[in-house]
Amino acid sequence: QLQLQESGPGLVKPSETLSLTCTVSGASISSSSYYWGWIRQPPGKGLEWIGSIFYSGTTYSNPSLKSRLTISVDSSKNQFSLKLSSVTAADTAVYYCARHHLVRDMNWFDPWGQGTLVTVSS
Amino acid sequence: SYELAQPPSVSVSPGQTASITCSGHKLGNKYACWYQQKPGQSPVIIIYQDSKRPSGIPERFSGSNSGNTATLTISGTQALDEADYYCQAWDSSTVVFGGGTKLTVL
Repeated sequence: QLQLQESGPGLVKPSETLSLTCTVSGASISSSSYYWGWIRQPPGKGLEWIGSIFYSGTTYSNPSLKSRLTISVDSSKNQFSLKLSSVTAADTAVYYCARHHLVRDMNWFDPWGQGTLVTVSS
Repeated sequence: SYELAQPPSVSVSPGQTASITCSGHKLGNKYACWYQQKPGQSPVIIIYQDSKRPSGIPERFSGSNSGNTATLTISGTQALDEADYYCQAWDSSTVVFGGGTKLTVL
């Protein structure tokens, strides 16, 4: 059964870089035809897509975050990662990783990790 | 940028049919999917490719998409269906989520 687990610091200082890793178990990132995505949800608010990556390194990103965003994949560890630079309080959110089914314009996320709360505060 | 609009809230009585809409420009020309999120839990896909249900999702959940509106329909709504529901689509190489609808079963 495919499972995803986010990990990383729960507290990041303003202006610093937020770094998270998603570990995939139950399937190989590099042997499948799926993308792998990051989504976040500020407390009490809706879902916001951050970006998605294919094992080859091809990425799609939210235009509003692209200038601060780096998404990478480490197939040897079956992990993919997120780095978001110059964070502010507005980046405080629960961050989810998920498998991204993306074929032409058909796409959905399934399954999702349990999510990890990242708070930006000094 | 592309936007998807959902009503903030919808109320339904137990056993009745709930409809949640998701509106976007020519959304019917794209594929829509729907997620259910209960408090403190991660979202779960309940409808993909407009109307397909993943295994394990009850038949009372159905979806349609035409014109500018995708609709999630819950037939015979149960108390356990009370949750937030989000629509999602793909436009210009970006993922777009609707703002979410809180379904109250009362």
